[in-house]
Amino acid sequence: NAGVTQTPKFRVLKTGQSMTLLCAQDMNHEYMYWYRQDPGMGLRLIHYSVGEGTTAKGEVPDGYNVSRLKKQNFLLGLESAAPSQTSVYFCASSGTSGRATEQFFGPGTRLTVL
Amino acid sequence: SQQGEEDPQALSIQEGENATMNCSYKTSINNLQWYRQNSGRGLVHLILIRSNEREKHSGRLRVTLDTSKKSSSLLITASRAADTASYFCATAISDSSYKLIFGSGTRLLVRP
Repeated sequence: NAGVTQTPKFRVLKTGQSMTLLCAQDMNHEYMYWYRQDPGMGLRLIHYSVGEGTTAKGEVPDGYNVSRLKKQNFLLGLESAAPSQTSVYFCASSGTSGRATEQFFGPGTRLTVL
Repeated sequence: SQQGEEDPQALSIQEGENATMNCSYKTSINNLQWYRQNSGRGLVHLILIRSNEREKHSGRLRVTLDTSKKSSSLLITASRAADTASYFCATAISDSSYKLIFGSGTRLLVRP
């Protein structure tokens, strides 16, 4: 099992450009999450999904959109990138118990917006 | 604001010593989890302690939870150079079944 994978690993954008980050998990997890991590800080939740076709806003959703068309995939979109969105983005997934359990993380995508 | 805050922000110890990290939080929780992050990598789950538990062990890890003080501690015994990493606590708040709120982390350096 590959666990949680993220594509791409690195990306540099110019202000105003758009891009989509792809997260895939092969553990049949119901719940998926997108976080951002800025230097010296913990993770902040951007959006999350509690099942296929559902999405919800997290702590810092502005400037981002998400979609969960398939259970195994969770996409994070930046429609018009801004320098403030320079960060490391992590995707995570967790199981089906309906309670907050351990989350499994991908390796991260390092995004720089110039 | 962050739900969990770790203390200290950074810790440097000699190999073989014990490392203790603390986490404080603000609201009622369902459970509290500790994660490790090696430099440039994703987070790895270490241990989960539920609100009705006071102590939990896993190998060289010992976690305590004091819900009256809204605090938790992570003890790593007999530390190794490979334990060098950042450690984060994360809380699952009672009114949410799915979300975790992460603290800012403790950076641990274990000197050989």
